[in-house]
Amino acid sequence: GAGVSQSPSNKVTEKGKDVELRCDPISGHTALYWYRQSLGQGLEFLIYFQGNSAPDKSGLPSDRFSAERTGGSVSTLTIQRTQQEDSAVYLCASSPGQVPGELFFGEGSRLTVL
Amino acid sequence: TQLLEQSPQFLSIQEGENLTVYCNSSSVFSSLQWYRQEPGEGPVLLVTVVTGGEVKKLKRLTFQFGDARKDSSLHITAAQPGDTGLYLCAGEKIGAGSYQLTFGKGTKLSVIP
Repeated sequence: GAGVSQSPSNKVTEKGKDVELRCDPISGHTALYWYRQSLGQGLEFLIYFQGNSAPDKSGLPSDRFSAERTGGSVSTLTIQRTQQEDSAVYLCASSPGQVPGELFFGEGSRLTVL
Repeated sequence: TQLLEQSPQFLSIQEGENLTVYCNSSSVFSSLQWYRQEPGEGPVLLVTVVTGGEVKKLKRLTFQFGDARKDSSLHITAAQPGDTGLYLCAGEKIGAGSYQLTFGKGTKLSVIP
């Protein structure tokens, strides 16, 4: 497809388990973002990748959260030892990289931690 | 502290009515974007405003960027049920060093047929 693809679309896990969320950005987009959207909240910035530069990790809420982007394309967001407060929709977006630029969002991965 | 405050948080109106939603901040932004998000989907860009005082029109939607680039408004004329959704404003912070958008919590609009 031509859009940003995220998987899984829904994930239910038990407290304490690790989860991986995947994002496949639009081909050719150099910038990739992860945001978190909790009920009643706006989008909370998590991490930003731009080309081969070091990622901006300033939004990651704790050291249980990490993300990588392999080959400048696919990205994986990993949450270790999940907690109930991690329940949210995790949105990935990509951008051609110009500033200001349009962010193209995926449909999100809804994470529920029981 | 929320950097971008959106109001109202919820709005329910009848089809054909006009409405305005607001996005306010004490900070200056180099640009501001408006997105619309429908349930189960990601936000989709409506418009980007860059210049203080700028007004952009998109069919029945009118966007304005404040002169001081701290606030913005979205006015919808003759609302339609298809306008229903979550409207998010997002600001690019001057001198942020890294390009990241700060989002407001959004205005959830329901247009009743």
